[in-house]
Amino acid sequence: QVQLVESGGGVVQPGRSLRLSCAASGFSFSHSGMHWVRQAPGKGLEWVAVMWYDGGNEYYANSVKGRFTISKDTSRNTLYLQMNSLKVEDTAVYYCARDEYGCLDNWGPGTRVTVSS
Amino acid sequence: EIVLTQSPGTLSLSPGERATLSCRPSQSVGTSYFAWYQQKPGQPPRLLIYSTSIRATGIPARFSGRGSGTDFTLTISSLEPEDFAVYYCQQYSASYSFGQGTKLEI
Repeated sequence: QVQLVESGGGVVQPGRSLRLSCAASGFSFSHSGMHWVRQAPGKGLEWVAVMWYDGGNEYYANSVKGRFTISKDTSRNTLYLQMNSLKVEDTAVYYCARDEYGCLDNWGPGTRVTVSS
Repeated sequence: EIVLTQSPGTLSLSPGERATLSCRPSQSVGTSYFAWYQQKPGQPPRLLIYSTSIRATGIPARFSGRGSGTDFTLTISSLEPEDFAVYYCQQYSASYSFGQGTKLEI
């Protein structure tokens, strides 16, 4: 079955960087698009970024464009989110999810990121 | 950016009752590009409905979706205790965005 497990969260100071990972198994990772979605404490879902199945296209929410980079390592079946110049408002649980024609059909349990001085 | 507005913010009902949740996009969304998710406390979201009206794998028939353009609805025909949760709509017609959520409570 599809399994997604995020890691790499933690507490970081504003302006610093963090890299999240999402280990994927149970499906053809190299042929799947993948998303990152976040949820601030007590708030709703915010879409963050997508990498299409072929790895050739990536898109970002305006709130993270220029600071975050999504990437895939198909040899490791792992999705990444490099987060630079972190802000307090980036504090959230970050989920990775598999793309199925644009909707997100499988989600990981999430990893918590806290940006605080 | 397409903004999705969900209503009501909170819906208070009892088991056995019918729930109707609304989502209105700020621009027209094609029916192939609209989904609903359920989220329970401490859990990731779960896909319920995609392409407006198609139930995801394992989703009970009491969940149904309909709509088009700028008016979409999720209906739960007879609430079970496990249905009390937060529901989000999502569009994937122009980039991706989620509604702010409807909390379904007892």
